[in-house]
Amino acid sequence: DGGITQSPKYLFRKEGQNVTLSCEQNLNHDAMYWYRQDPGQGLRLIYYSQIVNDFQKGDIAEGYSVSREKKESFPLTVTSAQKNPTAFYLCASDQGNLRNEQFFGPGTRLTVL
Amino acid sequence: AQSVTQLDSQVPVFEEAPVELRCNYSSSVSVYLFWYVQYPNQGLQLLLKYLSGSTLVKGINGFEAEFNKSQTSFHLRKPSVHISDTAEYFCAVSDPRAGFQKLVFGTGTRLLVSP
Repeated sequence: DGGITQSPKYLFRKEGQNVTLSCEQNLNHDAMYWYRQDPGQGLRLIYYSQIVNDFQKGDIAEGYSVSREKKESFPLTVTSAQKNPTAFYLCASDQGNLRNEQFFGPGTRLTVL
Repeated sequence: AQSVTQLDSQVPVFEEAPVELRCNYSSSVSVYLFWYVQYPNQGLQLLLKYLSGSTLVKGINGFEAEFNKSQTSFHLRKPSVHISDTAEYFCAVSDPRAGFQKLVFGTGTRLLVSP
């Protein structure tokens, strides 16, 4: 079955530590995205990538970093510079065509202790 | 820049009753419009989308939405809800002129269906 996998489902981190969230897709999609979801705020775009080895900042990129070395993978690192990292993180992908559906992964819930 | 307003944070309804979830958007240009559903602790799933053409759009699970350009609205409706429709619903817009599908989401409406 084609889809997007995110791991782990739950992640706990101590303050001051960096942590990397995994996102893998086997849909052969060119574009991939990272969103952050907080209660009552909807989803906000962190980073996006339209092609391998290229990525752009979204609306709330501060304290985050990404890489896109392979078409199917788009890992997100939450750094210690992110002031309020506790949130639900969603990865998505699409074919890069604005008319097509954007598919979402199941999400990773990050809690900073 | 686009923005999306979902005025109702929560909508309680009884099973088999009709429901309407409201979505208004703000944009100076034509937009694409989407409704997504999110079940607890899961990702989002596309219910339906409006790109162009007929203003009444039918989606999955019996949902439909009507695009109203003059009122800049895209309300979601279902004539008879089930318990399984309990979830959070997000309205989103994207700019057709953008180089990528940047979705701008509303804050969501939680639909609570009770027996």
